[in-house]
Amino acid sequence: DSGVTQTPKHLITATGQRVTLRCSPRSGDLSVYWYQQSLDQGLQFLIHYYNGEERAKGNILERFSAQQFPDLHSELNLSSLELGDSALYFCASSVDGDSPLHFGNGTRLTVT
Amino acid sequence: AQTVTQSQPEMSVQEAETVTLSCTYDTSESDYYLFWYKQPPSRQMILVIRQEAYKQQNATENRFSVNFQKAAKSFSLKISDSQLGDAAMYFCAYRSLSNSGTYKYIFGTGTRLKVLA
Repeated sequence: DSGVTQTPKHLITATGQRVTLRCSPRSGDLSVYWYQQSLDQGLQFLIHYYNGEERAKGNILERFSAQQFPDLHSELNLSSLELGDSALYFCASSVDGDSPLHFGNGTRLTVT
Repeated sequence: AQTVTQSQPEMSVQEAETVTLSCTYDTSESDYYLFWYKQPPSRQMILVIRQEAYKQQNATENRFSVNFQKAAKSFSLKISDSQLGDAAMYFCAYRSLSNSGTYKYIFGTGTRLKVLA
């Protein structure tokens, strides 16, 4: 168990809808990273938050947004969903010191 | 910008044999970390091993070891006595210091390892 919790595990929704994915980092970790992994693809970096502040953006669509709250949990909001948004979305956390990334189990999003 | 390259999309190994997965990276930094992550069919991302660039000694974790060649910017993973449970996608990752003062992680495209009984 990595200590990173992601909910929900699975999400099935229709095109055009909006969903929110939630991540609770490991206790003490200030950094939260979001990644998207489409079927049999590598990890695409979406966004990084550190202690409530956005620190880096990757290939994140304008329809997607994220935030990190004072209690350090993070949410990834995906709107106007398209079929191509179907993927596994990972959250990972770290202390940004010597610690590596610790991944949650992911949220599998299916857009129909 | 840093890049990570895994040139082997797929590898196969016989059970109990040894296999080496390749990873090369490009960077101008002198201080960084390298990681290997394993993603089994369950799709979890599991840390296998990590290497600090300033350490000359290659990291080892049980049956997993790395061959870190800093000058060549190479970071290969050796799996000894391969087991059926080693079958997974393996990702090489590089960690560097970003402009914002925190770390960014760059992942390779992965190598799918098949273990043959």
